[in-house]
Amino acid sequence: QKEVEQDPGPLSVPEGAIVSLNCTYSNSAFQYFMWYRQYSRKGPELLMYTYSSGNKEDGRFTAQVDKSSKYISLFIRDSQPSDSATYLCAMSLNRYSGNTPLVFGKGTRLSVIA
Amino acid sequence: DVKVTQSSRYLVKRTGEKVFLECVQDMDHENMFWYRQDPGLGLRLIYFSYDVKMKEKGDIPEGYSVSREKKERFSLILESASTNQTSMYLCASSLDGANTGELFFGEGSRLTVL
Repeated sequence: QKEVEQDPGPLSVPEGAIVSLNCTYSNSAFQYFMWYRQYSRKGPELLMYTYSSGNKEDGRFTAQVDKSSKYISLFIRDSQPSDSATYLCAMSLNRYSGNTPLVFGKGTRLSVIA
Repeated sequence: DVKVTQSSRYLVKRTGEKVFLECVQDMDHENMFWYRQDPGLGLRLIYFSYDVKMKEKGDIPEGYSVSREKKERFSLILESASTNQTSMYLCASSLDGANTGELFFGEGSRLTVL
């Protein structure tokens, strides 16, 4: 079993749709959860970060963590064509990535069609 | 503005050639990482370094080596390139003690080995 599972998609939605992206994980010791966004031919960039169960909002984006189910989600409201990218979940055992590198999901490719 | 610079965006090499991929960061970060990214396989960690002259193997170190002689520079070396090393290579850095352990990625180096 992989440590982090993420459906690779591709996922195609119409503009304005609500998008739900998900990851499951097997290691209950993971404490910190991140979502990175990667545009085509670019490196990933941190989109959202959370370390507790529950929801965290940032504009149109909501990150949700359910530690009891070992399940995290990223919701995008009112999706825009500019949201078209690959979204990668990432997890860490502790806050500092120095000698405990992040564990990444494989990424979900999202296309938002105008 | 935070910057991780990878020296070559696109390279074409022949089987058996020695390949150097250079990465420089201007953020005084302690930690640096080399990943490769392949369709269907996601990001895979090759090597990382949490201090000058220190290196740690990641998940797929075979066929690669690294060098970190200065804090800002982390080089990935393919001693004898093979076709299965054709990939997108991403360098990243992070700051020890940062709240999020966020990784800052370069734009990637796409290597083709013929």
